[in-house]
Amino acid sequence: DAKTTQPPSMDCAEGRAANLPCNHSTISGNEYVYWYRQIHSQGPQYIIHGLKNNETNEMASLIITEDRKSSTLILPHATLRDTAVYYCIVTKTSGSRLTFGEGTQLTVNP
Amino acid sequence: GAVVSQHPSRVICKSGTSVKIECRSLDFQATTMFWYRQFPKQSLMLMATSNEGSKATYEQGVEKDKFLINHASLTLSTLTVTSAHPEDSSFYICSARAATSSYNEQFFGPGTRLTVL
Repeated sequence: DAKTTQPPSMDCAEGRAANLPCNHSTISGNEYVYWYRQIHSQGPQYIIHGLKNNETNEMASLIITEDRKSSTLILPHATLRDTAVYYCIVTKTSGSRLTFGEGTQLTVNP
Repeated sequence: GAVVSQHPSRVICKSGTSVKIECRSLDFQATTMFWYRQFPKQSLMLMATSNEGSKATYEQGVEKDKFLINHASLTLSTLTVTSAHPEDSSFYICSARAATSSYNEQFFGPGTRLTVL
């Protein structure tokens, strides 16, 4: 699986958009970009995934660059409950393991 | 939907005893379940992958005789930490992948905090 690089921490004001970047320059053509988050002392939660098109669901939007070497997870209106570690993972489709890196600690401030 | 439960949520045991952790997919069938371990201030580390009805595949460095994994049904996997020692104290998290999923999203349990005295 391709390696990902994320900033170790970010801060965001409550109500503002949180934009979390991820670099995955060695991504291959059949690998997807997945985002998970882990609130302190809980199991990770699936957020969204995409291949090359931008994706949106009720939790977030995922913007993938045209060359697929980087992506951005957008939480449009961050709340205090969005404070968590966000993991960007690149992996093939069904059957592959998820390899968690260090992620980005997002802190949403009041 | 896609709820995964773990039991117990927290366990404290004496050194040398064995501890069993259950992972259940409550509203879907999971052909594959994963077990992770997370030490304080670290990321999740995959311990093993288990497929229903077959032996688990362990990651390098994980002792299969110490961490016994059973995946006897499509909704239940168990992890038994045998002869636990203080260094086994950790946060153990399972995840499950739906049998019908064509993607790789995994649904995680809430985790089990193991403390070995």
